[in-house]
Amino acid sequence: KQEVTQIPAALSVPEGENLVLNCSFTDSAIYNLQWFRQDPGKGLTSLLLIQSSQREQTSGRLNASLDKSSGRSTLYIAASQPGDSATYLCVLYNFNKFYFGSGTKLNVKP
Amino acid sequence: GAGVSQSPRYKVAKRGQDVALRCDPISGHVSLFWYQQALGQGPEFLTYFQNEAQLDKSGLPSDRFFAERPEGSVSTLKIQRTQQEDSAVYLCASSFKPPGTGKFGNTIYFGEGSWLTVV
Repeated sequence: KQEVTQIPAALSVPEGENLVLNCSFTDSAIYNLQWFRQDPGKGLTSLLLIQSSQREQTSGRLNASLDKSSGRSTLYIAASQPGDSATYLCVLYNFNKFYFGSGTKLNVKP
Repeated sequence: GAGVSQSPRYKVAKRGQDVALRCDPISGHVSLFWYQQALGQGPEFLTYFQNEAQLDKSGLPSDRFFAERPEGSVSTLKIQRTQQEDSAVYLCASSFKPPGTGKFGNTIYFGEGSWLTVV
């Protein structure tokens, strides 16, 4: 069974800092991987989608990488802002199922 | 509609009561998923529909949980004889294609969830 782990579980940083969120998984047979953010009381918002054949995707201040052979993905956030405070989830996609990590709760302090 | 819509947003049920949660996926989306998210946890898979067919219900925790999507659009998740451990956020998600089809994968879109509290 696919297991997805996100480290750290929580992270607090001062505004402006660059940071990396980690996601590891046990089964490399995936179709793609998505990073989502979840705000309190809200649903999940897709940030980046990486196909299994790709190694990275970029959107604005966000960069996500995928290394299937080592079972790892990272989400890099440049120049963090208080508005980035949320829980970040990595989600693996295979067959009819999505496998969720338990998330990293990010707090960016002004 | 523009996004995945779920109702009710908040529901307080007495233990033993039946509840029904509704999901309106994005128009034209083939795939529909239900997830259960306990406080402080990531979402856990419940069930998956491709059009009106329920292809995977392996995540439903007991026979008190039932989901349907009779016309391949709106879906309802029903929980019978609710118990306190059913308290969670129930998330619905949809995607245009079935997972893994085509050259490119699919972005899934989530609703804001139905927050169920069983007292």
